[in-house]
This record gives sequence, C-alpha cells and structure tokens, in this order.
Amino acid sequence: NAGVTQTPKFQVLKTGQSMTLQCAQDMNHNSMYWYRQDPGMGLRLIYYSASEGTTDKGEVPNGYNVSRLNKREFSLRLESAAPSQTSVYFCASRSTGPYEQYFGPGTRLTVT
Amino acid sequence: EDQVTQSPEALRLQEGESSSLNCSYTVSGLRGLFWYRQDPGKGPEFLFTLYSAGEEKEKERLKATLTKKESFLHITAPKPEDSATYLCAVQAQSGGYQKVTFGTGTKLQVIP
Repeated sequence: NAGVTQTPKFQVLKTGQSMTLQCAQDMNHNSMYWYRQDPGMGLRLIYYSASEGTTDKGEVPNGYNVSRLNKREFSLRLESAAPSQTSVYFCASRSTGPYEQYFGPGTRLTVT
Repeated sequence: EDQVTQSPEALRLQEGESSSLNCSYTVSGLRGLFWYRQDPGKGPEFLFTLYSAGEEKEKERLKATLTKKESFLHITAPKPEDSATYLCAVQAQSGGYQKVTFGTGTKLQVIP
C-alpha cells in the first residue's frame, strides 16, 4: 500500500515550457486535490476532484489544468510555465466527508 | 472568509521541555480541525482530527485539544525526533466537503 505517489520529485523548466505532474493513490479515495506550498503561506488549493469524472477550481487555478484520468489518477498540467509557478506541489486524497487528507511526497518545481 | 492563524511561527525547546502550539480559527461552522506534521522535503503527515469543542486526542507525546475558537497541540517531554513543522487546517460548513483552509505552521526544533 503505497498511499499517494507523485512524479517527478524535482523539475526545472524554462519560462513558456509545459509539463504534467502525475499523482496516483491506492486507497480507493473518491476525492483528490492539488495544492501548492510557498514559503510563508499555507497550502493553497489549485484544483480538486470530488469524484471520478469531475474537477473544480480551487483558490489559485490560473495557469493550471487538471485531468482526473480514473479513480486512482489525477494529473496537473502547466501549459506555459511562469516563474511565479515556482513552488512545491502536493497531491492529496481522502474519503468523501470531513475526513483527513493523505498527501504525496511533493514535486519541487523551479521555473527560470 | 475562513481564517487559520498558528502561533508561534517558530519554537525552540530543550529535550524534555513541554510546551503547546496554538491554532486559532475563524470559520462559519466547523466541520473538522486537522493537525499534520511536515518534515523538511516531505508531504504533510496526518496526526489528528477533532470535530467538536471539548474533544481531545492523544498519540505518544502529542495531545490535541479543541475549543470553539482554537486548538492546542501539547507536546509533553519532546524528543529531537519531534522536530518538524506542525500544520493546522480547518474544514468549514460553508466550503462543502472540499475546501480546507491551512495555517502557515509552527516550526518546532527540539534540542538534545
């Protein structure tokens, strides 16, 4: 039982390049989330998926797109990376309801 | 707007020196309050969920308590391995089951 896995662990992009961050969970959770974490700020929600086939915007969605490929997988795409997107990105999942989230190890992204 | 404030921002303790971390919150109806531990370079790790005022939960040297306005994470006789950043998060009724607001964390250092 691996929990939540993310790839890649590290990535450096140039401004304007695109990339996709991958996330998978093996806990049979319905809900999945993408957050970014920046120094001095709390985790901020980018997008979430309440169930397979649905996605919704969070607090900071601009510049990102997501795909809920199936119940296990939820990907985050940066179409044209900008230096402001330099951050640590975390994927999380949880069961439906006011329950705890389980986080992946994170992807450290630098955009130059 | 839901708000979570954690204090202090940083705390340095001698091994064995007990203390408490504070999480004050302003939400329109609390569904749940969560505590996480985050080690450098890793994703947040779930510790506790509290649902109603007066509730308490314990795990080893940690004890979390909840009132109507704040939560405390009490650390009894801490050890160096308790060094980490501790995050507090709340889920409010207004956000459905998807919106969780995180604080910026308390960075704890326990010195041998």
